[in-house]
Amino acid sequence: SYVLTQPPSVSVAPGQTARITCGGNNIGSKSVHWYQQKPGQAPVLVVYDDSDRPSGIPERFSGSNSGNTATLTISRVEAGDEADYYCQVWDSSSDHPGYVFGTGTKVTVL
Amino acid sequence: QVQLVQSGAEVKKPGASVKVSCKASGYTFTSYGISWVRQAPGQGLEWMGWISAYNGNTNYAQKLQGRVTMTTDTSTSTAYMELRSLRSDDTAVYYCARGTGGGRADYWGQGTLVTVSS
Repeated sequence: SYVLTQPPSVSVAPGQTARITCGGNNIGSKSVHWYQQKPGQAPVLVVYDDSDRPSGIPERFSGSNSGNTATLTISRVEAGDEADYYCQVWDSSSDHPGYVFGTGTKVTVL
Repeated sequence: QVQLVQSGAEVKKPGASVKVSCKASGYTFTSYGISWVRQAPGQGLEWMGWISAYNGNTNYAQKLQGRVTMTTDTSTSTAYMELRSLRSDDTAVYYCARGTGGGRADYWGQGTLVTVSS
């Protein structure tokens, strides 16, 4: 089955840039979506189709995808960005297609 | 606005079944699918399966095949997820989410805590 690997944690100072990677075999050929989850809350879609933002998501959130790595970039990080972030793809390559989530990255704002 | 409202928390004994509901509003129910995702305490997100609200077609995660059934009631715009033969490791928060054709979940319910304990 398809596996997505994320770093367990990323720490960043306020105002700086956080980059969260999502590694997968030839992930550049898939559409990658990113979710933000704050403690006790449901996930929220922050980037879809590699680099598009849903309405209401700040421009500070951006994404890219190439080769074996997709990246979520949070610019000008704020305290409110502290959360867990998950990447996700639709894997159609196996006999049981479906969503695959990354392992998750906890972003800590110093 | 799009809303998905789930049923309340459940406590079940091992071996029992649970059925969680997810009532949708703010969009045409049959134009999208519903995915179900669960999250065990302190763990990541696990996709359980998807159902088309248009025709009822389903696609379940291999791990849960045979224990899970997803259905919809288009007359009330409600989706259901039933999980049978519950075990302690089924203890989790269960989420429904609107599934788009692009393979993403763009709106999520608030979650339903299911606790399996003897």
